[in-house]
Amino acid sequence: GAVVSQHPSRVICKSGTSVKIECRSLDFQATTMFWYRQFPKKSLMLMATSNEGSKATYEQGVEKDKFLINHASLTLSTLTVTSAHPEDSSFYICSAWDRGQGNTIYFGEGSWLTVV
Amino acid sequence: GQQVMQIPQYQHVQEGEDFTTYCNSSTTLSNIQWYKQRPGGHPVFLIQLVKSGEVKKQKRLTFQFGEAKKNSSLHITATQTTDVGTYFCAASYGKLTFGQGTILTVHP
Repeated sequence: GAVVSQHPSRVICKSGTSVKIECRSLDFQATTMFWYRQFPKKSLMLMATSNEGSKATYEQGVEKDKFLINHASLTLSTLTVTSAHPEDSSFYICSAWDRGQGNTIYFGEGSWLTVV
Repeated sequence: GQQVMQIPQYQHVQEGEDFTTYCNSSTTLSNIQWYKQRPGGHPVFLIQLVKSGEVKKQKRLTFQFGEAKKNSSLHITATQTTDVGTYFCAASYGKLTFGQGTILTVHP
């Protein structure tokens, strides 16, 4: 079963509103989680690295005030898309780093965001 | 920034044919990972290669890490329709950076 749960899987919101996406590690504690954005038939573009208890590290070109990341616990990171616009419509996917036995990165199921 | 180049972008094969995707980095990698993403799904971890010249097999899949740890390949023998999807390599430059991916389609 899934070890990283992402919610919601699909969301439609109106332009100008904000939407929050949650990423939870189910079987392990994740001090580090990653948020990606993926366009159809394209690769995963890293948006930011989320570190528990500290500020996220954003990639160049990603607006930190628009894509708010909070990693308040060892099992939960959230991405909030603020003042959403249609061009923010995309597939957002998180991953969590299990530094334990497997030292493996597990991906969430992804969230389809449509801004109308 | 650091990049890992992956080719080809697309590959169409007949069922039963072999398939290979390649990744190259301009810098030496500490490790390289491979993921598979089914259409509409999320990336699923396949394997991690760490050692120079390492070769690992998973049934019909063979993964190789170059001697210089700058390139890697994934080879699928006798493809099946269940192999369809996008295969990504990912290199750790402190954070996981993905190659462009190879979209594999298999015609029955």
